[in-house]
Amino acid sequence: RKEVEQDPGPFNVPEGATVAFNCTYSNSASQSFFWYRQDCRKEPKLLMSVYSSGNEDGRFTAQLNRASQYISLLIRDSKLSDSATYLCVVLSQGNLIFGKGTKLSVKP
Amino acid sequence: NAGVTQTPKFQVLKTGQSMTLQCAQDMNHNSMYWYRQDPGMGLRLIYYSASEGTTDKGEVPNGYNVSRLNKREFSLRLESAAPSQTSVYFCASTYYDSNQPQHFGDGTRLSIL
Repeated sequence: RKEVEQDPGPFNVPEGATVAFNCTYSNSASQSFFWYRQDCRKEPKLLMSVYSSGNEDGRFTAQLNRASQYISLLIRDSKLSDSATYLCVVLSQGNLIFGKGTKLSVKP
Repeated sequence: NAGVTQTPKFQVLKTGQSMTLQCAQDMNHNSMYWYRQDPGMGLRLIYYSASEGTTDKGEVPNGYNVSRLNKREFSLRLESAAPSQTSVYFCASTYYDSNQPQHFGDGTRLSIL
């Protein structure tokens, strides 16, 4: 089993849609969790950290289920500018492990 | 405030040539990292430096060497470039440990012919 697995997509959604991304991780001792965003041919940028109690930042909601080793990202009211690849990132054994990313394309 | 700066942004090499990728950060971060990103793959850690004066291997260190020149700078060297090292290379930095989010440079696109 890969350490961090994501559905590669692409997810093609209309503006205003709600879209959810899922991620699973294999190491139950993983300590910290993040979602990064990467635009085409650009560097990854931190979108948000993921906390056990779940957390929200505007239109974005992240949730963590440690028992199931599962992380999610919900984007509400999608904007054209949300089009990007979303990377699930897990701190495991002292290093960050990156998923391959889920590509989102928001259409007018 | 520049953040993490990588040079060069693009480079084409012939097989067997050597080169050094440079990375500098101005955020007073202690830890620095080199990753490579290939199509269909996640970012993979090549080497990291938890603090000035220390370096450690990551997931894919073969064919690379690093130098933590000072707190600000962390370079990645390819001694004898191979086509398999064609990739996009990202440098990143963070405070004491990777429990904190990492800040990335904008990448070096390297092609080995």
